[in-house]
Amino acid sequence: KQEVTQIPAALSVPEGENLVLNCSFTDSAIYNLQWFRQDPGKGLTSLLLIQSSQREQTSGRLNASLDKSSGRSTLYIAASQPGDSATYLCAVGGNKLVFGAGTILRVKS
Amino acid sequence: DVKVTQSSRYLVKRTGEKVFLECVQDMDHENMFWYRQDPGLGLRLIYFSYDVKMKEKGDIPEGYSVSREKKERFSLILESASTNQTSMYLCASIPQSAGANEQFFGPGTRLTVL
Repeated sequence: KQEVTQIPAALSVPEGENLVLNCSFTDSAIYNLQWFRQDPGKGLTSLLLIQSSQREQTSGRLNASLDKSSGRSTLYIAASQPGDSATYLCAVGGNKLVFGAGTILRVKS
Repeated sequence: DVKVTQSSRYLVKRTGEKVFLECVQDMDHENMFWYRQDPGLGLRLIYFSYDVKMKEKGDIPEGYSVSREKKERFSLILESASTNQTSMYLCASIPQSAGANEQFFGPGTRLTVL
């Protein structure tokens, strides 16, 4: 059974810092990996999707990498801003996604 | 833009009531999902549907049922609400060719069962 783990559970950084969020999964047979953002009390917003044949995806200040062989993905956020404060979730699968518990990020101004 | 809407943002019901949560998507997606989200447990799949009138159980279907009579609408039903069903419920949809497509989520319904 696929299990997804996110480390750290929570992170607090000063504005402007570059940071890395980690996601690991136990079964490397995945169709894709997706990173989401969730603001308090709200639904999930898709940030990046990496297909199983890809190594990374970029969108603005965000870069996500995927290493299927080691069962790992990282989300890199450059020059963090207070508006980046949210919970970040990774999920793996295809039609059916398995989610990690998330990393709560706080960027202090 | 894909839009997934849910009928209520907040809902308060009493134990034993029958509860309907509605989800509508406007992008003709074949697949629709219901999740619940609880602190420390993350998102867990309750049911999903890959076509009209088709449904499959997810990881935690007990105490829930679903209905999909039209492609754009997927309903989650709590037959007899219990306090342990107090949670955030999230609906999502995705096209049939899921490998290269993102899953889109609604805003969520915060259900409290008293």
